Amino acid sequence: AQSVTQPDIHITVSEGASLELRCNYSYGATPYLFWYVQSPGQGLQLLLKYFSGDTLVQGIKGFEAEFKRSQSSFNLRKPSVHWSDAAEYFCAVGASSGGSYIPTFGRGTSLIVHP
Amino acid sequence: KAGVTQTPRYLIKTRGQQVTLSCSPISGHRSVSWYQQTPGQGLQFLFEYFSETQRNKGNFPGRFSGRQFSNSRSEMNVSTLELGDSALYLCASNDPGIAGNSPLHFGNGTRLTVT
Repeated sequence: AQSVTQPDIHITVSEGASLELRCNYSYGATPYLFWYVQSPGQGLQLLLKYFSGDTLVQGIKGFEAEFKRSQSSFNLRKPSVHWSDAAEYFCAVGASSGGSYIPTFGRGTSLIVHP
Repeated sequence: KAGVTQTPRYLIKTRGQQVTLSCSPISGHRSVSWYQQTPGQGLQFLFEYFSETQRNKGNFPGRFSGRQFSNSRSEMNVSTLELGDSALYLCASNDPGIAGNSPLHFGNGTRLTVT
């Protein structure tokens, strides 16, 4: 069975600083990987996804993530954080099941942005 | 396109009662999935419906059930509510396509409180 670990429960950064959120996955085959963001009282919004090809993927809101197979990681980065980026971030790995895929989510990392 | 719509946004129920939550997927999306989100357990997969058939099921008791209608709208039902059922219930839709790996699009959820 697949699993996702997000080692950091909370991360605090200053506005304008760079950001890296860690994600490690466990899955026997080639994974489908995702990062989602959740603002308070909202559902999850897709930031970016990796299926195959270029291991550096670009997403919305200036985010990017790099897939490293050797490290089983898919870390999310942003060069300069804005106060509006404060939210909960979820990494997910998708595994094929019955004709679709069922993503397994990590426990999330809460991002706090100081002015 | 309109996004995934979940109704109601908030529900307060008493232990032992039952509840029905509704989800309208994005137009053209044939798959609907349900997730339970709690602070203690994170995001947990409940079930997935595709073309009115339950295609995948998570590890939840039989008190949790769902269905999908011919227009892809979905409902989930929880019978004999317990305090531990208090959670944010998220619905997500996608159109799996051939590869089955299209990302999920989430609604804003239904916040269920059981007293």
